[in-house]
Amino acid sequence: DAGVTQSPTHLIKTRGQQVTLRCSPKSGHDTVSWYQQALGQGPQFIFQYYEEEERQRGNFPDRFSGHQFPNYSSELNVNALLLGDSALYLCASSLLENWEGAEKLFFGSGTQLSVL
Amino acid sequence: EDQVTQSPEALRLQEGESSSLNCSYTVSGLRGLFWYRQDPGKGPEFLFTLYSAGEEKEKERLKATLTKKESFLHITAPKPEDSATYLCAVLLPGTYKYIFGTGTRLKVLA
Repeated sequence: DAGVTQSPTHLIKTRGQQVTLRCSPKSGHDTVSWYQQALGQGPQFIFQYYEEEERQRGNFPDRFSGHQFPNYSSELNVNALLLGDSALYLCASSLLENWEGAEKLFFGSGTQLSVL
Repeated sequence: EDQVTQSPEALRLQEGESSSLNCSYTVSGLRGLFWYRQDPGKGPEFLFTLYSAGEEKEKERLKATLTKKESFLHITAPKPEDSATYLCAVLLPGTYKYIFGTGTRLKVLA
């Protein structure tokens, strides 16, 4: 049973560029959330996708956008990169029907983004 | 403001030296409190979910407890392989958003 997979594992970009990160959820999961984790900090919620729509968003600017595909996989796009966007970007999947029971998240290993 | 605070930030233990990690939260209407373990360069790995005050969960050398305002992760007779960052998170009521603490970096020396 494949867990959550993310690609690429590492990425180096320069300020002003755009980046796309990809995530495949755990088999059987239909909900994908994205988190940003700066060095030495806990993950911060960016947004969550369900049924190909953004269901909830955290306190991130519009430069951060996403997409979910019919097969439940997801992309995170960041435009006009800033130095402060350097972080580990984590994708987490879960199953909607368990949500009322406070569903645990399954995380991928993340994409380490460095902005120079 | 909804907040999760973990202490200490870092902890060094000798193998076999038991201790506790603290997670305090200010959230109205807790839906769930989660403990995760994170190894360097990896995503968090789920350990426990606690739902109500007085609840306890155990897994090997780890035991998580919950009160109305805080949770403790007790580590009994730790081993070097228990070295990791331990993250606490709460699910905000009426949302799909988890708030994480900054974690406790645990180092267990052989």
